[in-house]
Amino acid sequence: DTGVSQNPRHKITKRGQNVTFRCDPISEHNRLYWYRQTLGQGPEFLTYFQNEAQLEKSRLLSDRFSAERPKGSFSTLEIQRTEQGDSAMYLCASSFSGGSGEQFFGPGTRLTVL
Amino acid sequence: QQQVKQSPQSLIVQKGGISIINCAYENTAFDYFPWYQQFPGKGPALLIAIRPDVSEKKEGRFTISFNKSAKQFSLHIMDSQPGDSATYFCAASMGRYDKIIFGKGTRLHILP
Repeated sequence: DTGVSQNPRHKITKRGQNVTFRCDPISEHNRLYWYRQTLGQGPEFLTYFQNEAQLEKSRLLSDRFSAERPKGSFSTLEIQRTEQGDSAMYLCASSFSGGSGEQFFGPGTRLTVL
Repeated sequence: QQQVKQSPQSLIVQKGGISIINCAYENTAFDYFPWYQQFPGKGPALLIAIRPDVSEKKEGRFTISFNKSAKQFSLHIMDSQPGDSATYFCAASMGRYDKIIFGKGTRLHILP
């Protein structure tokens, strides 16, 4: 069990570019969550999946954001036409719905939009 | 609208002292209240959690006190150590498997 991994760890992009982040959950965890954390704030929920089904999306997730979990394993979060306000740490977490429900967080991907 | 309010924003405690962080919530549908610890460059990690049918839960040096009628809960860290220096988040959710609503965090610094 290597924990939740996220790639890349850091991403610097110019405004208007598209970016994609990847999250690999703990194996056999069927739930996968995405959160966004800005400096000095707590993480804010974006969306979550149970297996490959996206069950809930926050109003924070504008049309420029899309998340997928095509085979119920890894997930990707894409941001199109990035804006400076998208600069944040994007955190992924996973859990097993048959267990304690504890969400295990990855180290995050820090996005900087210039 | 902030659903979980946390205070203080920052806290400095002497080594060996007691660190106390307070939280309040409004939504009575919350039924799971975890505390997370986050070190710089890392994701949050679950520290301890409580359900509203319990007034107190202790794990080692960490204790959660829960007041359902006041809709408040707090984290006490006994015998605080420099290694406890981190950011702490109180949180709430409607069930263990639901999304987590985080407070804004408390940056704790333990003086050696």
